Amino acid sequence: SQTIHQWPATLVQPVGSPLSLECTVEGTSNPNLYWYRQAAGRGLQLLFYSVGIGQISSEVPQNLSASRPQDRQFILSSKKLLLSDSGFYLCAISIGGNTEAFFGQGTRLTVV
Amino acid sequence: AQTVTQSQPEMSVQEAETVTLSCTYDTSENNYYLFWYKQPPSRQMILVIRQEAYKQQNATENRFSVNFQKAAKSFSLKISDSQLGDTAMYFCAHPTINDMRFGAGTRLTVKP
Repeated sequence: SQTIHQWPATLVQPVGSPLSLECTVEGTSNPNLYWYRQAAGRGLQLLFYSVGIGQISSEVPQNLSASRPQDRQFILSSKKLLLSDSGFYLCAISIGGNTEAFFGQGTRLTVV
Repeated sequence: AQTVTQSQPEMSVQEAETVTLSCTYDTSENNYYLFWYKQPPSRQMILVIRQEAYKQQNATENRFSVNFQKAAKSFSLKISDSQLGDTAMYFCAHPTINDMRFGAGTRLTVKP
């Protein structure tokens, strides 16, 4: 079965600093990959999804970007963090699309 | 666009009683999946139950069951014999070929 590694678990960053969150997948190949953000006590906002290496689709205009340099690696980045980037970030995968998603443990990002 | 709506931001239930969480969705597809996810305080997303649209029989997983009304595009979750460990956020989700859409969530509190 697949395993999703997401790190770090917790991150505190100053405004204006860069960001790099990494998600790696084991146990499957060619997954669909997703980045979600969740504000405290709220729902999941889809930020980016990828159906293959180098293929990134963005759902909302924002201060963040994503990359998929390898089949099972998904990176969320920012050049300069804003206070509004604070939240809980979840990496997820699905196999083949139109099926259930499996989630990593999440990263709690606080921008100060 | 595919949308998923959960109209109950918060609900509570007494331990051992039954509670139903509501979800409606919009889709142009004929064959698809629907899911309910649970997010406990740990914030790990856990798949609770899945329903395949072409199956008329409602899915059941132990104390969890769904009422799937395809024509009405309704997909409610029933939790029987509620336990304290059921306290969590519950999200209804509908995948498409490229992404997974979530409702805003329902915060369920099970009271002793």
